[in-house]
Order: sequence, then C-alpha cells, then structure tokens
Amino acid sequence: AQSVAQPEDQVNVAEGNPLTVKCTYSVSGNPYLFWYVQYPNRGLQFLLKYITGDNLVKGSYGFEAEFNKSQTSFHLKKPSALVSDSALYFCAVRDGGSGTYKYIFGTGTRLKVLA
Amino acid sequence: NAGVTQTPKFQVLKTGQSMTLQCAQDMNHEYMSWYRQDPGMGLRLIHYSVGAGITDQGEVPNGYNVSRSTTEDFPLRLLSAAPSQTSVYFCASSYSILGLRELFFGEGSRLTVL
Repeated sequence: AQSVAQPEDQVNVAEGNPLTVKCTYSVSGNPYLFWYVQYPNRGLQFLLKYITGDNLVKGSYGFEAEFNKSQTSFHLKKPSALVSDSALYFCAVRDGGSGTYKYIFGTGTRLKVLA
Repeated sequence: NAGVTQTPKFQVLKTGQSMTLQCAQDMNHEYMSWYRQDPGMGLRLIHYSVGAGITDQGEVPNGYNVSRSTTEDFPLRLLSAAPSQTSVYFCASSYSILGLRELFFGEGSRLTVL
C-alpha cells in the first residue's frame, strides 16, 4: 500500500533563511509526488509535482523539491523564506502504474517563518 | 471559471441526521474525490471516482456514500451522522485519472455533529 510520511509537525525558520520541509514515501510502482500548501480556512493549492525526468523540480512562489529515489524522499525547499510562506504544507503520492487511483496525503507540516 | 464548488460551507447536525455535501466542478475533470481533514491526521481519502458511474472506496469510507451520475457532480452522503464525522471535508478533482496531473480543491465544508 502507498503511504507518505511528514516527520515534522512544525518547522520554524527565520525570514531570509533557507527552508526545508521533509517528505518520504512508499509505493510499489513509480511514484508521482506532489506538494500542496494550505492557508487558514482555505482549500489546498498545488505547488509542484514530480512525475518523471529531472530530480529537481521547480514550482510556484519560488519553491522547489528534490526527488531522491534511493532515499524515497521528496523534500520541499526554498532558498530564502518569507513571512508570507507561513502555512500548512502537504506532501502527496500517487502510485503510478499500479492500477490504483488514490492520491494519499501526509499529515502536514506547519511552516512558521519568523520576522 | 468557478473550479471546484462545495456547498454548504458550514453545517451543524444532530447525531443520527442525514445530509449531503455537494461538489461540482466545471473543468470537465474525469477524476473526483472526497477527503476529510482532521488535526494531526492530515487529509484522508473517503471515496473517489474515475468517471461517471464509477466510484470506489478510499482509506476511510465507512459511514459515507457517493454516486457519480454526471461528470460535473460528486455528492457525499452521510446517512446517519455521528460525532466522529465532525471534520472539514474537501472535494478535489483532476483532469487525469492516471495521476499525471494535480488535484484542484474546493474551499471545504466544515461539519459539526452534536
């Protein structure tokens, strides 16, 4: 069965510093990986995805993520954090090629960027 | 372009009552799904559909029914509400049933069961 783990409930970072939000996954087939952001009382918004190709994926608002097959990880990164990046971040996985149609989400990581 | 529209935004039920959460999308997406969001649990998949007339169970389907009579609509029914179903519910859709495209989410429906 596919699964996603986000090991940190909360990440605190100073404005202007680089940030990393961690995600590891487990699938039986090829992983399709996604990052979403949720602001208070809103739905989730898509940030970026990895389907195939380059391991470094660039997305919205200056975010990027690195796919690491050997470590089964897909960590979200940004070189310089903004206070406005403070939100709840979710990693999700689809098991490509396995015949399952489920997008499975992690438990979320709250990012707090301190001014 | 409205995207994914959920109604109602807020609802309070008494234990044992029934209700339907509505979800409609105007993007001609084949894939639609329902999630519930609970503190510390993230988003958990309730049911999903890969096209009109086709539905299947997700991670937490008990207590919920769905149907997909049209491409646009995917209602979620609670037949006999329980306090454990107090949650925020999100409908999401995608152009691709193969997982190659991202999900588009509605704004959520906050349900309280007393």
